[in-house]
Amino acid sequence: NAGVTQTPKFQVLKTGQSMTLQCAQDMNHEYMSWYRQDPGMGLRLIHYSVGAGITDQGEVPNGYNVSRSTTEDFPLRLLSAAPSQTSVYFCATKRGETQYFGPGTRLLVL
Amino acid sequence: GNSVTQMEGPVTLSEEAFLTINCTYTATGYPSLFWYVQYPGEGLQLLLKATKADDKGSNKGFEATYRKETTSFHLEKGSVQVSDSAVYFCALSGGFGTGNQFYFGTGTSLTVIP
Repeated sequence: NAGVTQTPKFQVLKTGQSMTLQCAQDMNHEYMSWYRQDPGMGLRLIHYSVGAGITDQGEVPNGYNVSRSTTEDFPLRLLSAAPSQTSVYFCATKRGETQYFGPGTRLLVL
Repeated sequence: GNSVTQMEGPVTLSEEAFLTINCTYTATGYPSLFWYVQYPGEGLQLLLKATKADDKGSNKGFEATYRKETTSFHLEKGSVQVSDSAVYFCALSGGFGTGNQFYFGTGTSLTVIP
């Protein structure tokens, strides 16, 4: 089992560009989420989903969109990248009270 | 609201030293408490957890006890190794008003030198 996979591992964008961060899981977990990790801020929840077709906002949703058409995939879209979105992004699933994290995507917005 | 506060780092220790990383929380109800570890270049992994007051979570020589009276969940290890060098995050989930969300502390970076 691959667990939680994320692509790309690293991306550089220019301000105003859009992109999609991919997240896939093969554990059949209903719950998936996206976090961003910034120095001194810990992890902050962006969006989460409790199942296919259901998404909700977390602590810092502005500037990001998500959709969940299948159990396996939970992409995160940046509509118009800004330097403030420079961060490391983690996708995670949850079963019970345990979360399983992907390896992360490092994003640099110039 | 719900929140987690953990000691600022970075922490540098010699091999075989005793480790304590402090974590306190604010929550209503009866949250579960967690310690996650992040090794360089990787995502977070669950290290240990405790689901009710006075429970002790343990794994890989690390321990933490859920203290409701002091709202704390301090991480300890009696003898650290170089391989323990990582960032450690305290987190909570499941209290009133948390919904499906986890609340993470800011992380404490630990470096163990030989």
